[in-house]
This record gives sequence, structure tokens and C-alpha cells, in this order.
Amino acid sequence: KQEVTQIPAALSVPEGENLVLNCSFTDSAIYNLQWFRQDPGKGLTSLLLIQSSQREQTSGRLNASLDKSSGRSTLYIAASQPGDSATYLCAVGNAGNNRKLIWGLGTSLAVNP
Amino acid sequence: EAGVTQFPSHSVIEKGQTVTLRCDPISGHDNLYWYRRVMGKEIKFLLHFVKESKQDESGMPNNRFLAERTGGTYSTLKVQPAELEDSGVYFCASSQALPRVGEKLFFGSGTQLSVL
Repeated sequence: KQEVTQIPAALSVPEGENLVLNCSFTDSAIYNLQWFRQDPGKGLTSLLLIQSSQREQTSGRLNASLDKSSGRSTLYIAASQPGDSATYLCAVGNAGNNRKLIWGLGTSLAVNP
Repeated sequence: EAGVTQFPSHSVIEKGQTVTLRCDPISGHDNLYWYRRVMGKEIKFLLHFVKESKQDESGMPNNRFLAERTGGTYSTLKVQPAELEDSGVYFCASSQALPRVGEKLFFGSGTQLSVL
């Protein structure tokens, strides 16, 4: 049974820092992995989608890497800004049923001015 | 372009009552998903529609939950009768799978359901 863990659960950093959020999964037979962002009272916004055959994806200041064999993904945020404050969630699509995402609990990020 | 719309945004009902949640996906998206987040727990998959057909409803908790997608457009999720443990945030998402690019999900803001 696939399980997704995110570390740390919460993170508070000063503005401008580069930071790394971690996601680990127990079954390496995945189809894809996605990183989402959730703002309070809002829906989830897809940030990056990495297919199982890919090693990383980049969008602006965000970079997500995937190491299937070790069951890990990292989300790197460069030069963090207060507007980056949100909860970041990792979700895995299994190879057998990629439409049924398995989610982590998320990392709550606060970027302080 | 309008995003995924859910309503109501909040619903407070008493145990034993019936509640119906609605989701309007992005126009043209064949895939529609329902997810739920209970406080303190991970988001959990409930079910997946492709157009009007239920593709996977393995995450539905029990037969008190009924989902429909009329004509492959909007979807409703009815809980009847509601129990205390049904409280949580119900998210709807839609997508149009694209070859090589993969499937990017677009989520609504969710319905916060409180059963008292």
C-alpha cells in the first residue's frame, strides 16, 4: 500500500532563503508525482507534475526532482518570498491506478518579511 | 476561463440530515474527481468520473454517499444520512489528459462540511 510522507510538517524561514521540502513514498512503482500548493480557504493549485520517466521539472523559482528508486522527491524554492507562504502537498499517482492520487499531509511554509 | 466551481463553500448540518454538494468542472474536461480531507488526515480519493461514467469509485466510504454526473457536465455528491465522521473538506477536481504532458488537475476551493 502506497504511503506518502512529507517532511518537515512546518517550516518558517526569513525572506530570501532557498529552501527544500521533502516528499517520500513507499512504493517506487509510480506513474507520476505532483506538487500542489494550498492557500488558506482556497483550492489546490498544481505547481509541478513529474512523470515517472523524468528526473526533474522546473517552473520559475520552483524545481522539483524525482528519484524513483529511493522513493523521494524534493521541491526546491529559490529566493523565497512572503507570497510563497502556503501549504505544499505532494501527491503520487501509482502505476496501477494513476488516476487515484495518494497524498502526503503537507508542509506548512511561512516566509517572514 | 472559469475554473472549477464548488458550492456551497460551507455547509453545517445536523446528524441524520441530507446534504448535496455540487461541482462544476472546467468546460471540456472529461475527467472529474472528488476528494475529501478530514481534519488532521491526508486528502483521500473518493471517485473518478470520465464524462458521465464512474470510472473508479473505490474511495467512496459507504453507501450513504452517492455521486452523479449529469450528462457529463456538473457533478453532485449527496450524503444521506450524514454522520459526524463525514465532516471535512470535499474537493472537486477536473482534468483533460494530454499525451506526453500528462494530466494536470485543476481543483475547486472545496466545500467545508460540518456535521453536528
